Amino acid sequence: LAKTTQPISMDSYEGQEVNITCSHNNIATNDYITWYQQFPSQGPRFIIQGYKTKVTNEVASLFIPADRKSSTLSLPRVSLSDTAVYYCLVGGPNQAGTALIFGKGTTLSVSS
Amino acid sequence: DAEITQSPRHKITETGRQVTLACHQTWNHNNMFWYRQDLGHGLRLIHYSYGVQDTNKGEVSDGYSVSRSNTEDLPLTLESAASSQTSVYFCASSESVGPISSYEQYFGPGTRLTVT
Repeated sequence: LAKTTQPISMDSYEGQEVNITCSHNNIATNDYITWYQQFPSQGPRFIIQGYKTKVTNEVASLFIPADRKSSTLSLPRVSLSDTAVYYCLVGGPNQAGTALIFGKGTTLSVSS
Repeated sequence: DAEITQSPRHKITETGRQVTLACHQTWNHNNMFWYRQDLGHGLRLIHYSYGVQDTNKGEVSDGYSVSRSNTEDLPLTLESAASSQTSVYFCASSESVGPISSYEQYFGPGTRLTVT
């Protein structure tokens, strides 16, 4: 299972773009990169998933370079409600039960 | 709308007692998971199930058990509660796509368990 490293915390202001980078040097060929968001007193919520290059949805963008040893979650124009913990996960198919290893995540604090 | 629920939301129990936390999902997902979340540890996988009658141990399974008698429910039992099991417990589910499980897991609201 690929180990991930991400910053413990980040601060931002409303309206700014926030980029959270995750390192996963030992990512395997079949591994996907998945990001979750967790608000206080709630369960994590799936944000986005990708394998390579760029993925975009209504919430965020995920940038994955060619070597796939890192990935960057981009949150455009954050608001106070984006204050949460963001988790980067790396794992491959057929490992559903064991591959979702949540690290300590990145605590994003958005101020006005 | 489909959902995943947990009960109770809060529980206080004494050391040595047996406790069961309920998890019910109406997504009709084959895969269900139990995690615990503690400060400084993130989420850790306790047990998981890929379908009825299937159960598997996760990273921190000692002292816990699960059973899967139907698709909708995966109750988590603490056989003899210990203070070290004070935590927030999350249940989650995901769908299967052939032999591959989706990485989009749907989480319940959590159960805060205190063992005194």
